[in-house]
Amino acid sequence: DTAVSQTPKYLVTQMGNDKSIKCEQNLGHDTMYWYKQDSKKFLKIMFSYNNKELIINETVPNRFSPKSPDKAHLNLHINSLELGDSAVYFCASSLTSGRASETQYFGPGTRLLVL
Amino acid sequence: KNEVEQSPQNLTAQEGEFITINCSYSVGISALHWLQQHPGGGIVSLFMLSSGKKKHGRLIATINIQEKHSSLHITASHPRDSAVYICAVLYNFNKFYFGSGTKLNVKP
Repeated sequence: DTAVSQTPKYLVTQMGNDKSIKCEQNLGHDTMYWYKQDSKKFLKIMFSYNNKELIINETVPNRFSPKSPDKAHLNLHINSLELGDSAVYFCASSLTSGRASETQYFGPGTRLLVL
Repeated sequence: KNEVEQSPQNLTAQEGEFITINCSYSVGISALHWLQQHPGGGIVSLFMLSSGKKKHGRLIATINIQEKHSSLHITASHPRDSAVYICAVLYNFNKFYFGSGTKLNVKP
C-alpha cells in the first residue's frame, strides 16, 4: 500500500485554468506538507497543515489554496495557472509535529506543465 | 545568498569509495534534514537531526551546531547510491530552507 499518494502524476493544462492536485496519506500522520520543486530542482516548502490547521504558510501567491478536509488529505488548488507554476509538486506527511522537526514521508510528486 | 550551502554540487565516485557531502547554514536552526532524490524523482527522507550523529546502514549524518555545519557520509558506496542529496534546515520551527542539492554518481 502506498503511504503517501498524489493524483494526478502528470498534469498538462493551459494558462488561466484552475486545477487541483490531491494528496492522501494512510500512515495516520497528523501533519501534511506541500513542496514545489522548480526546473532547477530547487525544493521549496509551500504549506504545512497539522490536524487540518494551517501551520506553515510560506510566501506563495494567493492563487494557491490548500484544503484539508481531514487529516489524511491535503489538496492543493491553483487558480489562474501561470507558466511559472510549471514544476513538480510534492506532498509529504509526518507523525505529529506541524513544525517539520520530524522525519517526513514524501509522495511521488505531481508534474505540472502549464502551456 | 542562500541560507543553506551544499558542497560539492556534483560528485563522481568509484564503487566502494567513502563519500562526504557537506552542508553549511547561516541561521540558528531547530532541525536539519537530509533527503535523497532518486533519478526517477522520488524523494526519501534519510535523516532528521538536531545534534550529534545518526547512522543508518552505510549512511552516517553528523551535525555541529556551533559551526553550523552538517555532513552526510556514505561508506562503501554503490551505484544504487547515485542520486541527488538535499540538505534542508528548519529555522524557528516555521521556516524551512533547502540547499541546492549534491548530485552523486557512483560508477561501477
